[in-house]
Amino acid sequence: QSVLTQPPSVSAAPGQKVTISCSGSSSNIGNNYVSWYQQLPGTAPKLLIYENNKRPSGIPDRFSGSKSGTSATLGITGLQTGDEADYYCGTWDSGLSAVLWVFGGGTKLTVL
Amino acid sequence: EVQLVESGGGLVQPGGSLRLSCSASGFTFSSYAMHWVRQAPGKGLEHVSGISSNGGSTNYADSVKGRFTISRDNSKNTLYLQMSSLRAEDTAVYYCVKESSGWYGWFDPWGQGTLVTVSS
Repeated sequence: QSVLTQPPSVSAAPGQKVTISCSGSSSNIGNNYVSWYQQLPGTAPKLLIYENNKRPSGIPDRFSGSKSGTSATLGITGLQTGDEADYYCGTWDSGLSAVLWVFGGGTKLTVL
Repeated sequence: EVQLVESGGGLVQPGGSLRLSCSASGFTFSSYAMHWVRQAPGKGLEHVSGISSNGGSTNYADSVKGRFTISRDNSKNTLYLQMSSLRAEDTAVYYCVKESSGWYGWFDPWGQGTLVTVSS
């Protein structure tokens, strides 16, 4: 069971928009920046969004991030078949004994 | 260009040991925290361990605490993960990851990963 909760899967048609949620608590998302990672099939994860809503160079503006309270959301517009991947949210968690990094369980995006 | 190249993975028997290495280039290695993240076959990402830029601070997932040790040699631009008392559930691809800063940043980039298989 992951500390951060994501839907196992989402799907949408090419050209459409999809959102992926990431739910946490005050010990993680509520007090820390969230980042998002894209893992294309058979490859290593890649940074997609950092500090809640910033895109690294090279990431198209079709990808966006937001955070409100203890939840974060990844948005993808103008879906392309090449966007089919697993998406993970991540952040720091200030637990009782240590500050540790935590990931969501991942969301598989299918572009129908 | 930042590059992270893992090595040392392979097949090991339950209870055995293995040391992973991650050779870093393209950035000032000694200025950044580094991490190991693993992914079991068909599963999600799990943060295994992290180490601060000077090696003075480390953290571990509860699942590996007491069995794995993270370390770094800043003179060799290399990150290590010493794994002992390995279990079947440690079978995974292990990724070496650079953090954006000294601590509490984000993870970028990731290495290509090295597969560790624990089986008799």
